[in-house]
Amino acid sequence: QSALTQPPSASGSPGQSVTISCTGTSSDVGGYNYVSWYQHHPGKAPKLIIYEVNKRPSGVPDRFSGSKSGNTASLTVSGLQAEDEADYYCRSYADSNNLGVFGTGTKVTVL
Amino acid sequence: EVQLVESGGGVVQWGGSMRLSCTISGFRFDDYAMHWVRQAPGKGLEWVSLITGDGRDTFYEDSVKGRFTISRDNSKNSLYLQMNSLRTEDTAIYYCGKDLRYTRSTYSETFEMWGQGTMVTVSS
Repeated sequence: QSALTQPPSASGSPGQSVTISCTGTSSDVGGYNYVSWYQHHPGKAPKLIIYEVNKRPSGVPDRFSGSKSGNTASLTVSGLQAEDEADYYCRSYADSNNLGVFGTGTKVTVL
Repeated sequence: EVQLVESGGGVVQWGGSMRLSCTISGFRFDDYAMHWVRQAPGKGLEWVSLITGDGRDTFYEDSVKGRFTISRDNSKNSLYLQMNSLRTEDTAIYYCGKDLRYTRSTYSETFEMWGQGTMVTVSS
């Protein structure tokens, strides 16, 4: 099972928005609404920020939003804040293994 | 408050064994599948293994099949990963993760909560 494709890096100034893409196939991202996103500050526990494409767990700010079009899912962080600087990973259900597959990860830098 | 705390990591020689533990609190342990996910130095996240809430079903990533064994003791709110025949490519931070879905007999692809991880270093 190949990893989902994410850009290695993305950046924005405080207050701006940044969008991260996550590209898969019709056997994972495109075929199911089971895409999740995780924020990971190195040395800390990863954190679920979006599940089922566009749902936010309790406590996650509405600055984080998710969407999907075809085989590509996207995470948008609006109103960037310094604490948003982290690595972000997508994950999708994949029917090839009936489990899931991670994205390659994107490092977000707040300029 | 939901908490997951991993332990048992350290340095082990190539071909050796190590047992990781994950102790949880704050939720009914046996109602959720549990996962192990790892991150090798400089690499991304990689799912390793999962076990259903009732402990009846287990699944493994291909590279660890036959070498790693996941288990749980619901009476102790604890998850384990027994790692044998360790290779240098198993060097990683190992995280335990709580499944999102409230179900004892199945699992999902989403991890609702994670621990802070424990580092495993396999030396050659």
